[in-house]
Amino acid sequence: NAGVMQNPRHLVRRRGQEARLRCSPMKGHSHVYWYRQLPEEGLKFMVYLQKENIIDESGMPKERFSAEFPKEGPSILRIQQVVRGDSAAYFCASSLAGTQETQYFGPGTRLLVL
Amino acid sequence: KQEVTQIPAALSVPEGENLVLNCSFTDSAIYNLQWFRQDPGKGLTSLLLIQSSQREQTSGRLNASLDKSSGRSTLYIAASQPGDSATYLCAVTRGSNDYKLSFGAGTTVTVRA
Repeated sequence: NAGVMQNPRHLVRRRGQEARLRCSPMKGHSHVYWYRQLPEEGLKFMVYLQKENIIDESGMPKERFSAEFPKEGPSILRIQQVVRGDSAAYFCASSLAGTQETQYFGPGTRLLVL
Repeated sequence: KQEVTQIPAALSVPEGENLVLNCSFTDSAIYNLQWFRQDPGKGLTSLLLIQSSQREQTSGRLNASLDKSSGRSTLYIAASQPGDSATYLCAVTRGSNDYKLSFGAGTTVTVRA
């Protein structure tokens, strides 16, 4: 049973480009969470999605960031017009159900904006 | 707003020494607290989860204590080994309906052979 998969593992973008980060949850999991880890900081919650629904995006910047979890395929975190401050590690976690279920984390995507 | 702090940020010990890692949180109304291990370039692995009604949890050489009233948790790792070198993160949840983990910045541990 494969764990949470994220790709790419490393992503380099120039300022103004778009970044697309993908997350495939564990088999059977329909709840996905995205967290961001800035250098020297803890992980910060960004968004919680279920299949085809955004449940809570309170931690996501209002502009340039969007997330989706379609009926088929992985969850996507999209960052438009990236800036240097977007450089961080982005982690995805999944759970079988919602609240208080154990979240299993992927290896993360390290985004570097030049 | 919950603030989670981990001190020290880094720790280096010789092999065999016991490790003591600290985590403090500002809002004592937590539902549970988790300790994770993060290896470089890898994801997070859950080590121990303590419910708010519990005082401690143990798994092998790991023991985590929780004092809600003082807003503190301590992770003890007995007889450290080089393989214990990693970053250790603590995270709390607020209530039974909460799914957001609030993380500390972590303590990076190096165990010298």
